[in-house]
Amino acid sequence: EKQLLESGGGLVQPGGSLRLSCAASGFTFSDYPMSWVRQAPGKGLEWVSAISGNGGSTFYAASVRGRFTISRDYSKRTLDLQMWSLRDDDTAVYYCAKARTGSWSYFDLWGQGTLVTVSS
Amino acid sequence: EIVLTQSPATLSLSPGEGATLSCRASQSVNSNLAWYQQRPGQAPRLLIYDSVNRATGIPARFSGSGSGTDFTLTISSLEPEDFAVYYCQQRDNWPCTFGQGTKLEIK
Repeated sequence: EKQLLESGGGLVQPGGSLRLSCAASGFTFSDYPMSWVRQAPGKGLEWVSAISGNGGSTFYAASVRGRFTISRDYSKRTLDLQMWSLRDDDTAVYYCAKARTGSWSYFDLWGQGTLVTVSS
Repeated sequence: EIVLTQSPATLSLSPGEGATLSCRASQSVNSNLAWYQQRPGQAPRLLIYDSVNRATGIPARFSGSGSGTDFTLTISSLEPEDFAVYYCQQRDNWPCTFGQGTKLEIK
């Protein structure tokens, strides 16, 4: 069964850092681009960052560029998001999501999400 | 970036009725548009991709149409489990963007 399982969320103070991880199973991890998508409380979906299947290309939303870093570990089959200089408006549920095809595509598999709360 | 505007914001209908949800793009996205369903407390689920194709396991009562800037998600006969929030998403231009959502609620 294809599955994504996020971890690493929690409460952090403004200016702090946090590392999210997403464990993938049930599909050939290196074949698909992966993304992080977030959802602030009571709000809609916002794409945050993406990484290609081979890890050679990374992309970021303007709102997080320079503060977040996406990476993937093929031996562990994990997708990570390192977040620095966190702000109040980074508070959200963070989902990892798999592209439907091997190219930049829609998201056909989502994790259950992990909540990040930035607050003093 | 491309802005997707969904209408209406809220749609109140009864089980068995048909639903029509709209998504309008600020510029052409060709047919590179998807629809997702999100039930309370759950992750989004892909329903339709490339404007008209149902994702794996999606019932035939869900259908999509449109190209360019105007898109529609149609649910032919609402089941109780269909009451949720629906989002459109474009992948034609980087960065991919989502609409703000349409809440489908029970009347």
